[in-house]
Amino acid sequence: DPKIIQKPKYLVAVTGSEKILICEQYLGHNAMYWYRQSAKKPLEFMFSYSYQKLMDNQTASSRFQPQSSKKNHLDLQITALKPDDSATYFCASSQGSWGNAEQFFGPGTRLTVL
Amino acid sequence: QQQVRQSPQSLTVWEGETAILNCSYEDSTFNYFPWYQQFPGEGPALLISIRSVSDKKEDGRFTIFFNKREKKLSLHITDSQPGDSATYFCAASSPNYNQGKLIFGQGTKLSIKP
Repeated sequence: DPKIIQKPKYLVAVTGSEKILICEQYLGHNAMYWYRQSAKKPLEFMFSYSYQKLMDNQTASSRFQPQSSKKNHLDLQITALKPDDSATYFCASSQGSWGNAEQFFGPGTRLTVL
Repeated sequence: QQQVRQSPQSLTVWEGETAILNCSYEDSTFNYFPWYQQFPGEGPALLISIRSVSDKKEDGRFTIFFNKREKKLSLHITDSQPGDSATYFCAASSPNYNQGKLIFGQGTKLSIKP
């Protein structure tokens, strides 16, 4: 059974619209993260949450808003979508948020903005 | 600024040979280095990791060699199999990143010829 679920697998959106990317983890971890992977850049850290509290935000834009409704959920809301937002977004989790905690990644949501 | 660099970008070896993937870094505070394996359409999977107190870590056919003085490490895959064909990412973290941020290299695409 998949331990980290991301929904949907593929997402197509139009410029200016808003989308929510879903992430649920069933590893019992207390820390969750979002990373972004595009053709132009390697995997980039976006956010980290620990015990449902924001720990670090490395995105320059307020258009990206993580939402944690439950301990094992960390969704990503993206507003006013731009073509440059096209990328694969990965959710990850770990037990503990210190620097050397092993992080496990989900299968990703591939977002295309037209 | 690219803090973690990988070389080569792509590598092809014959089945049964040893593949050597290189990684270097700039931040001397980095002390944890996980390697991830990623197949097309999937999320990165944690393969093996090393902490800076060690100079070698072995797990089956996968071995990390770490040179702290030169800020370099390498992943050796012995007896390469076609199923090892994937993209490999070196990542790094620092105790200064107590929010769990991983810095990734741009990846090495490995192809194993049968």
